[in-house]
Amino acid sequence: DTEVTQTPKHLVMGMTNKKSLKCEQHMGHRAMYWYKQKAKKPPELMFVYSYEKLSINESVPSRFSPECPNSSLLNLHLHALQPEDSALYLCASSPLAGTQGYYFGPGTRLTVT
Amino acid sequence: SQQGEEDPQALSIQEGENATMNCSYKTSINNLQWYRQNSGRGLVHLILIRSNEREKHSGRLRVTLDTSKKSSSLLITASRAADTASYFCATDASKLVFGAGTILRVKS
Repeated sequence: DTEVTQTPKHLVMGMTNKKSLKCEQHMGHRAMYWYKQKAKKPPELMFVYSYEKLSINESVPSRFSPECPNSSLLNLHLHALQPEDSALYLCASSPLAGTQGYYFGPGTRLTVT
Repeated sequence: SQQGEEDPQALSIQEGENATMNCSYKTSINNLQWYRQNSGRGLVHLILIRSNEREKHSGRLRVTLDTSKKSSSLLITASRAADTASYFCATDASKLVFGAGTILRVKS
């Protein structure tokens, strides 16, 4: 199984809502990532998890809270978001050795109203 | 944070022609990767070239890397309409950082 799955595909939430994005992979990869992509822009790194521990936080606002419950799952908890947070949120995984590319999920299209 | 520039920003060619995209970056790297993205979907890894390699081939793809100039190029030969997509280079130096991307349109 060489697939990264993400749920939901689309999400519309108000600024006072709390929601979570989910990501799953079963390739045995020990590194997992969250990227944010605005329209017509490249993906921007948000968080990196290595062996289920947060290793990189790219100064992301605290209204985004990542969680890695086990080696296959990655969550992104959302709370009190702003309309400018509307974007495509991409999850990825990779082996830690850095000799292979990343596997990306299809993304969650988030709209904050 | 964006690593570097890609050019051209957009490229329109006829089916069967070759497409060349260029990428420049700013820092030392472990490897450089190229990805394809079809209209707002997830990215697909195309090819990875290590910092000690100069050229790599995969099917119709040819990638070059010049670490002295901090630049790379992706050549797609005999393009097809299905190659229409955005193409991103990404540099890996402890984290993967993407360039601005090139939008390729292949007309049939």
